[in-house]
Amino acid sequence: GQQVMQIPQYQHVQEGEDFTTYCNSSTTLSNIQWYKQRPGGHPVFLIQLVKSGEVKKQKRLTFQFGEAKKNSSLHITATQTTDVGTYFCAGRDSNYQLIWGAGTKLIIKP
Amino acid sequence: GAVVSQHPSRVICKSGTSVKIECRSLDFQATTMFWYRQFPKQSLMLMATSNEGSKATYEQGVEKDKFLINHASLTLSTLTVTSAHPEDSSFYICSVGTRSYEQYFGPGTRLTVT
Repeated sequence: GQQVMQIPQYQHVQEGEDFTTYCNSSTTLSNIQWYKQRPGGHPVFLIQLVKSGEVKKQKRLTFQFGEAKKNSSLHITATQTTDVGTYFCAGRDSNYQLIWGAGTKLIIKP
Repeated sequence: GAVVSQHPSRVICKSGTSVKIECRSLDFQATTMFWYRQFPKQSLMLMATSNEGSKATYEQGVEKDKFLINHASLTLSTLTVTSAHPEDSSFYICSVGTRSYEQYFGPGTRLTVT
């Protein structure tokens, strides 16, 4: 079946370092969404990318959607303790279903 | 991680009818499942937390008599939208929760009420 692979599963960074998570789909997506889930909380929608090659920025966060609409990345510059959490991508397929990545847990080392 | 399925993936029903959506955990015994509703480009809105063998806990503003949740087994939870109206049209997503607060999401069900 359709899959979205998300890597890495975990990433430990020092505060101030950058962080990147990647999603790769086995099929072309109509769009891709990114969510952040704080420990013990529920996912919060961050952004939706629709166009091939699209790049969007939200302050220190940069989101990219690949030219083939099969991959996407989220990059955080100069991480802060408030960035801690699990970041999920979710791709929308042609049947309107969401295919979720497994999530990348961002851990800030003290 | 857990594999979660939902059925149906999309459903169209007439106003006044009831619709049942199933959420199955295929390879994980889920004592806790969550039901969310999502409007386009918006966050998942938690509707209720479903605990196996007990009554679901509904979030404020969610009518428990309208959105009936049954979590009869460790692998199945159902959400029934009773007497559906066009404003109930939405994307409904379930997830399976683990003891370490991870969540595994289903693919969602698109409900359209005409």
